[in-house]
Amino acid sequence: EPEVTQTPSHQVTQMGQEVILRCVPISNHLYFYWYRQILGQKVEFLVSFYNNEISEKSEIFDDQFSVERPDGSNFTLKIRSTKLEDSAMYFCASSTSGGNNEQFFGPGTRLTVL
Amino acid sequence: AQSVTQLGSHVSVSEGALVLLRCNYSSSVPPYLFWYVQYPNQGLQLLLKYTTGATLVKGINGFEAEFKKSETSFHLTKPSAHMSDAAEYFCAVLRGANNLFFGTGTRLTVIP
Repeated sequence: EPEVTQTPSHQVTQMGQEVILRCVPISNHLYFYWYRQILGQKVEFLVSFYNNEISEKSEIFDDQFSVERPDGSNFTLKIRSTKLEDSAMYFCASSTSGGNNEQFFGPGTRLTVL
Repeated sequence: AQSVTQLGSHVSVSEGALVLLRCNYSSSVPPYLFWYVQYPNQGLQLLLKYTTGATLVKGINGFEAEFKKSETSFHLTKPSAHMSDAAEYFCAVLRGANNLFFGTGTRLTVIP
């Protein structure tokens, strides 16, 4: 069964460093998403991406964040200068279309900023 | 903006007992509502969703939920809990075109 994959499963970085979190969405999906979950808190939407551009973003998704689909399979989230408060589990998701269609989630990348 | 609230961060039930996980929503427009489950070290998996039509929605693994507009609720139920149901459950509402607004989650423990 097709699934969303994410690498790495755990990333440790120093404050101020850049990190890139990688995702491989399900191959025939067209919509891509990033969510995050700070430990003990709710899952929060960051951004959605369609047709090579951002379709929606939350107030969390500021200039420190960017997303890219560099090739036909990967979808990345870059944090330019990490802060302690960026420590969280980051989930990638994809769907065949937008709206109320099912979003399929990856297992997440745990980012720890020291 | 649409939102959901989950009552009870932890719920414990005995194996074979009824599972009831509560979710209330707030929305000025007809909501699209979802329940997701997260098993340890895995991503979120869709259990069921309500869009339009029948208010009683059946999902995977024997779960179902009923959309009650008068109570602004979308509670998740399962008649008989199984050990494998132990997980974290998230209620969510579609906010905007594509983004899911999640509740804080309910951790279900099943006691043998």
